[in-house]
Amino acid sequence: GPKVLQIPSHQIIDMGQMVTLNCDPVSNHLYFYWYKQILGQQMEFLVNFYNGKVMEKSKLFKDQFSVERPDGSYFTLKIQPTALEDSAVYFCASSLGLGALEQYFGPGTRLTVL
Amino acid sequence: GDKVKQSPSALSLQEGTNSALRCNFSIAATTVQWFLQNPRGSLINLFYLVPGTKENGRLKSAFDSKESYSTLHIRDAQLEDSGTYFCAAGNNYAQGLTFGLGTRVSVFP
Repeated sequence: GPKVLQIPSHQIIDMGQMVTLNCDPVSNHLYFYWYKQILGQQMEFLVNFYNGKVMEKSKLFKDQFSVERPDGSYFTLKIQPTALEDSAVYFCASSLGLGALEQYFGPGTRLTVL
Repeated sequence: GDKVKQSPSALSLQEGTNSALRCNFSIAATTVQWFLQNPRGSLINLFYLVPGTKENGRLKSAFDSKESYSTLHIRDAQLEDSGTYFCAAGNNYAQGLTFGLGTRVSVFP
C-alpha cells in the first residue's frame, strides 16, 4: 500500500532543545496529520494541515509546536523548546483528499526528552 | 478512550479459532478505520469503511453509523495476527481520527 516515511526513527534530546521531526507523505496526498502515542497506548490527534495551513489542532498541540511543509518538501513537526512530557512516538499520516480520506501512517519517530 | 470504546481490551486466541472485536462510538462517525499495530509499532491499515461491510481474506469488518458501532471479525486466527488492533472514527471533513484504546490480541499455538 501507499508508504509514508518518517525521519529519524529515534531521537534523543535534552529538555529545552529544539527538535524537528520529518515526514515524507504519500506523493499525491494533500492532507497531512501528526499524532502522538505514549508508551504504546492511545493514539491522539495533534494537528492537520492542508494547502499550507493548519486546519485543525487539538489541545495537545501546544504553543511550542509548529508545522510546515515548505515547497512540497518534508512535512515537519517542530517542538521548541521541548519538555519531558513530549517524550512519545510521533506518527505522521496523510490522505488523498475529500472523498478519499483513508489515512496512511508512517512508522513513527520515537522521541525521548531527557 | 471515552469517545471510542473498544472491547475487549485484551484477547487470547488459540490458532485456528474465530473472534470478534467491537468499537462503540459516542461521537458522530461517518467513516471508520481499523489498524493493526505490530510489535515494531507500525500501524497497518486493515479497513477503511463508510457504513457497510468489507472483507479481506480472514478479516471482515462492518460499520453501522446509525447504531454507532463497528466490528472486526478474525477467522482462523494465525500467529501473525497478534498485535494491538485499533479502531478510529473519522468524518467527511479530513479531520483528525479519534482512536480507541485498542484491543491487544495474542494468538497462541
